[in-house]
Amino acid sequence: QKEVEQDPGPLSVPEGAIVSLNCTYSNSAFQYFMWYRQYSRKGPELLMYTYSSGNKEDGRFTAQVDKSSKYISLFIRDSQPSDSATYLCAMTGGSNYKLTFGKGTLLTVNP
Amino acid sequence: NAGVTQTPKFRILKIGQSMTLQCTQDMNHNYMYWYRQDPGMGLKLIYYSVGAGITDKGEVPNGYNVSRSTTEDFPLRLELAAPSQTSVYFCASGGTGTVYGYTFGSGTRLTVV
Repeated sequence: QKEVEQDPGPLSVPEGAIVSLNCTYSNSAFQYFMWYRQYSRKGPELLMYTYSSGNKEDGRFTAQVDKSSKYISLFIRDSQPSDSATYLCAMTGGSNYKLTFGKGTLLTVNP
Repeated sequence: NAGVTQTPKFRILKIGQSMTLQCTQDMNHNYMYWYRQDPGMGLKLIYYSVGAGITDKGEVPNGYNVSRSTTEDFPLRLELAAPSQTSVYFCASGGTGTVYGYTFGSGTRLTVV
């Protein structure tokens, strides 16, 4: 079993839809969880990070962590065409020095 | 702040040639990384460094070498380029303490023909 599993998609939604992106993981030591957004032909950029379980909201984006199920989610409300990108989850235990990444989910938001 | 700067942005190499991909960061980060990204395969760690003078192999180090003589610079050397090294290469850096996550460069798109 891979440490981090992420459905590669592709996921295609109409503008204004609520998008749910997910990752599962197997390592119970993971405590810090991140979401990156990667536009085509660009480097990944850090979108959000959360510690342990719970929710974190930033504008239209909500990151959710359920450590009991080893499951993390990123919700995008009122999705826009500019949200079209690949979204990668990443996580680590107590140190920033070695993140474990998911393979990414390709999202397209259609006008 | 420039963040993480990679050069060149694009390069075509012939089989057997060598080249160095440059990476510089201006955030005084201790940790630096080289990844390659192939379509549908996610990010694969090639080499990483936890500080000047310290480097270690990632999951796909064969065919590559690195050095870290300063905090700012982390060049990746390709010796005897092969078609299997055709990929997009990303350099990233990360800090210590309570700030989590990496800052990535914009990538180098390499084609070996």
